[in-house]
Amino acid sequence: RKEVEQDPGPFNVPEGATVAFNCTYSNSASQSFFWYRQDCRKEPKLLMSVYSSGNEDGRFTAQLNRASQYISLLIRDSKLSDSATYLCVVRGNTGGFKTIFGAGTRLFVKA
Amino acid sequence: DADVTQTPRNRITKTGKRIMLECSQTKGHDRMYWYRQDPGLGLRLIYYSFDVKDINKGEISDGYSVSRQAQAKFSLSLESAIPNQTALYFCATSDSTEARGYTFGSGTRLTVV
Repeated sequence: RKEVEQDPGPFNVPEGATVAFNCTYSNSASQSFFWYRQDCRKEPKLLMSVYSSGNEDGRFTAQLNRASQYISLLIRDSKLSDSATYLCVVRGNTGGFKTIFGAGTRLFVKA
Repeated sequence: DADVTQTPRNRITKTGKRIMLECSQTKGHDRMYWYRQDPGLGLRLIYYSFDVKDINKGEISDGYSVSRQAQAKFSLSLESAIPNQTALYFCATSDSTEARGYTFGSGTRLTVV
C-alpha cells in the first residue's frame, strides 16, 4: 500500500459544480497535512494547510479525518481556472524524512 | 525575482554526459530539496539538505549527487546521464518547521538522448 494515495482522476466537472477529492495516508503518526495545486508543466504551489478542525479559504475547504486517515479538499462553485492537478502532502514527525507527496488528482472544469 | 530559481529551464543532453542543475533561493530557508517528477508517479525525493553541512539521500539518489555550496545554493549533478533520467526536476525550500509547506522552483525539464 502506498503511504499516500489519491484517485488520479480525471474529474471532469462543469463550471459552478462542487467537487471533492480525498487522500488517504497510511502512517497514523502523521502530523501535518497540505494541499498543493500544480498546473501542467509548472511547479506545485501550496494551496492550503489542513488543520485538525478543518479550514476554509474562499471556495476551498479542507478537512482531516484522523480516525479514517484521510484528508479531503472540497471546491465549491468551480471555475475554469481551477483546472489543475491537486497534490496532497502528508508529513510525519518520526525519524528520518517524512514528507510524502501524493501523485495527484487531475481536475478539468468545463464551460 | 523568483524566490527559488532553477537553471537551466530546459536541457537536452547525451547519454554519458555530466550535467549540473542549479538552484538558488532568496527565502533564507535552511532546508532545500531536489525532486524529480515523472508522469503518473508524482514527486520523488532525490536528495535533501537541512543545512549547509547536512546532506541526505532520498528515495531515488542512485545516479545523482548534490552539493550545498551555501545556505542559498543547492546543486544537483548527474554524473553520467542515462535516458531514464529524463524527467522534470524541481528544487524546493522550506523553513525548519515546514509548517508553511514548500516553495518550489519553476523546474528543469531534462531530456537525455
